[in-house]
Amino acid sequence: GAVVSQHPSRVICKSGTSVKIECRSLDFQATTMFWYRQFPKQSLMLMATSNEGSKATYEQGVEKDKFLINHASLTLSTLTVTSAHPEDSSFYICSAENPFTDTQYFGPGTRLTVL
Amino acid sequence: TQLLEQSPQFLSIQEGENLTVYCNSSSVFSSLQWYRQEPGEGPVLLVTVVTGGEVKKLKRLTFQFGDARKDSSLHITAAQPGDTGLYLCAGAEIQGAQKLVFGQGTRLTINP
Repeated sequence: GAVVSQHPSRVICKSGTSVKIECRSLDFQATTMFWYRQFPKQSLMLMATSNEGSKATYEQGVEKDKFLINHASLTLSTLTVTSAHPEDSSFYICSAENPFTDTQYFGPGTRLTVL
Repeated sequence: TQLLEQSPQFLSIQEGENLTVYCNSSSVFSSLQWYRQEPGEGPVLLVTVVTGGEVKKLKRLTFQFGDARKDSSLHITAAQPGDTGLYLCAGAEIQGAQKLVFGQGTRLTINP
């Protein structure tokens, strides 16, 4: 069964609105979760590291005010794309790190389309 | 910044043939993971290799971690159409929050 879930799987929104994506670790408590972005026919690009109870660590070039990350519990991290624009359209994938095996398990992804 | 070069990026072969995908870096990783991704889905973990020189087998798939933990390979024997997909290697950084560095991916097509 799935180890990590994401919701929603697909979302279409108008330009200027904000969209929240949830990532849940189902089988273990995850102190650390990660958010990735994937463009068509490309590999995954790490956006930020989500740390439970503290601020997220963003990769260079990723706007922290645009991509808000909240990791309020050991099983839930959320990514909010604020004031979305068409160029934010992408496939967003989260992962949770199993602290016992140091292995990352990925969610099924969220397809965001901004009109 | 650590980089992972994955090759080939595209591979189309006939059913029954063998193939090898490579991931190379000048950096040392604490572990290396191989994933397979289907269109519209998240990557699914195939294997994690941790020890330099380690070889792991998963049915017709053989994974090897280089002695210096800088490179890895995935070998598929007698490829089948069901093996079609995007294969990704990802190296875990030695220090810090275990961030993964992904290779560019290999899009594999097995023709019947």
